[in-house]
Amino acid sequence: SQKIEQNSEALNIQEGKTATLTCNYTNYSPAYLQWYRQDPGRGPVFLLLIRENEKEKRKERLKVTFDTTLKQSLFHITASQPADSATYLCALPYGGSQGNLIFGKGTKLSVKP
Amino acid sequence: GAVVSQHPSRVICKSGTSVKIECRSLDFQATTMFWYRQFPKQSLMLMATSNEGSKATYEQGVEKDKFLINHASLTLSTLTVTSAHPEDSSFYICSARDQGTSSPLHFGNGTRLTVT
Repeated sequence: SQKIEQNSEALNIQEGKTATLTCNYTNYSPAYLQWYRQDPGRGPVFLLLIRENEKEKRKERLKVTFDTTLKQSLFHITASQPADSATYLCALPYGGSQGNLIFGKGTKLSVKP
Repeated sequence: GAVVSQHPSRVICKSGTSVKIECRSLDFQATTMFWYRQFPKQSLMLMATSNEGSKATYEQGVEKDKFLINHASLTLSTLTVTSAHPEDSSFYICSARDQGTSSPLHFGNGTRLTVT
């Protein structure tokens, strides 16, 4: 069955540094991958979508890469700020006509001033 | 942007009672809504897909008689936890799309259910 892993449960970095989060998947060839941000006690908020034919996608200080050979996506936040502290989830479609998504457990990012 | 509203945000109920959670798409119509539950430090687990005007599709292991879903209109889906037990205590979140099946999900802010 499809499996999605976000290797780090938590990541602590200093303000101004680049945060890099990893999402790996197995037994699967998804057409796209999405990243979400979740704050405590809130629902996830969509950040970026990257398709299988795209190597890289950028949005302001965010960058996502998608390596279909390695079956891995990297999510980067450059010039990180304390306000970036949150849990980041990657998500993949897992089949069916309705576009159901399977989510990773997330990586909790803490940016220290 | 597309907004999904979920109500209530928190609810405490006694064991054996039922609780209804509402999920509304405020500025778009949603023929499909998704219900997730999330345990602490765990990923979102899809419980069921709610389809307007038809029966919901439940994921394996989710009891349809316990988690009743009604999608009566294009802007409202409800999840009723029947005969709630303490093990049903969790964070329930609904979501919907305002575009095609590969477009992002818009999530409600979740409902924290505590069953005593």
